[in-house]
Formats: sequence, structure tokens, C-alpha cells
Amino acid sequence: AQKITQTQPGMFVQEKEAVTLDCTYDTSDQSYGLFWYKQPSSGEMIFLIYQGSYDEQNATEGRYSLNFQKARKSANLVISASQLGDSAMYFCAMREFSGSARQLTFGSGTQLTVLP
Amino acid sequence: DVKVTQSSRYLVKRTGEKVFLECVQDMDHENMFWYRQDPGLGLRLIYFSYDVKMKEKGDIPEGYSVSREKKERFSLILESASTNQTSMYLCASKSLSGANVLTFGAGSRLTVL
Repeated sequence: AQKITQTQPGMFVQEKEAVTLDCTYDTSDQSYGLFWYKQPSSGEMIFLIYQGSYDEQNATEGRYSLNFQKARKSANLVISASQLGDSAMYFCAMREFSGSARQLTFGSGTQLTVLP
Repeated sequence: DVKVTQSSRYLVKRTGEKVFLECVQDMDHENMFWYRQDPGLGLRLIYFSYDVKMKEKGDIPEGYSVSREKKERFSLILESASTNQTSMYLCASKSLSGANVLTFGAGSRLTVL
């Protein structure tokens, strides 16, 4: 079973509008972390935001916020006031802290295009 | 800032050739990772190393090996490249302490003809 599901292969948004990128996850662990990364066309993965499973508040970093709904196992990324430079591939990822898991599991990504 | 440098951005190799992908990080991170990225599949872990000379298989290790002789350097080796190994390869590193954030290199795009 997929541990991380991103159902939107591509999204378009008008400049200055907000956009939500969906991410659902599957884990039986109580302790885990959720991450969002941005990958511009240059190829380098850039860390955006992190949410721990025990964090009660939704994480925010500037124009990025993570809409964490634990019961629904969703961790959607919200980008406010989109800019042309936000056009990129976005990946949701999860790390489970139990056992010997040491790596992130990534979703298949969402290609975001910001329109002028 | 932590920097992860992958020596080759683009490589073209022939089937059967031995390929080395090099990755160097400059912040004394214990953990290093090699991922493979393919459209529609996201990133899949090939191997990771939690210390010098220590390694563990990831999800798709077949056809690959790794070497970590020094803390700062983690090499991915394709003993006999095949066309199905044409892909983008991403190296990452992470400290044992502190945040769980991976720092990635810019990627190496390998084409096997």
C-alpha cells in the first residue's frame, strides 16, 4: 500500500492566489513526521515545512502552511499569495519514528504551475 | 548552510559500463542517502549510510552498490549499467541530532544508451 499519496499530478494557480496541494498518508505509528519539499526545474530539493504528529498547531513558514488533519491522515500544503517562482514540483514525505525506519517515504509529487 | 555536492549533473553511458556517482557533504553529517527519481514514482531510496563504512539497503538496491570510506563522501556504483537505470539520482545527507530534514544535492541525470 502507498504510504504517501498525492492525487494531483498537476495543478495550475493564478499569481497572487492561494493554492492547496493534497497529501494523504498511511501509518500505524503514533510518532511520525510529515515534510514538504519543493523541486524547481534546477533539480535541487528544497525543504519547505515540517509537521510532527504530536504538534497541536499547524506548521507555518512564511507563505507556506501545513493543514494537518490527523484523524483524516492528511497533510495538505497551502501556499498563499502564489508567485511565479513557486512553479515547481512539490513532494510530500513522511518519516515514521518507530522501529528502525531511517528514511523518508515520498509521494509521487504535484507539478504546480503559477500563471501570470 | 549545509552543502551537498554531486560531481556530475549529466552523464551519458553505454549499457554494461561501470558508473560512479559521487556525493560530498561539508557539514559532518552522519547519515547519507541515495535516491532515484522517476516521473510518477516520486523518490525511491536505493541505499543509505548511517556512518563510515556502514550501509543499509533501501527499497530498490538491485543493480547498485555504494561506498562510504570517508564521512563526507558517499558514492553510488552501477556495476554494469542498464537502460532501465536511466534516471535522476539524488544524494542527501542528515545529521543524527536535531531536525530530521534531509539536505539534497542538485541531482545527477544519468542516461544509459
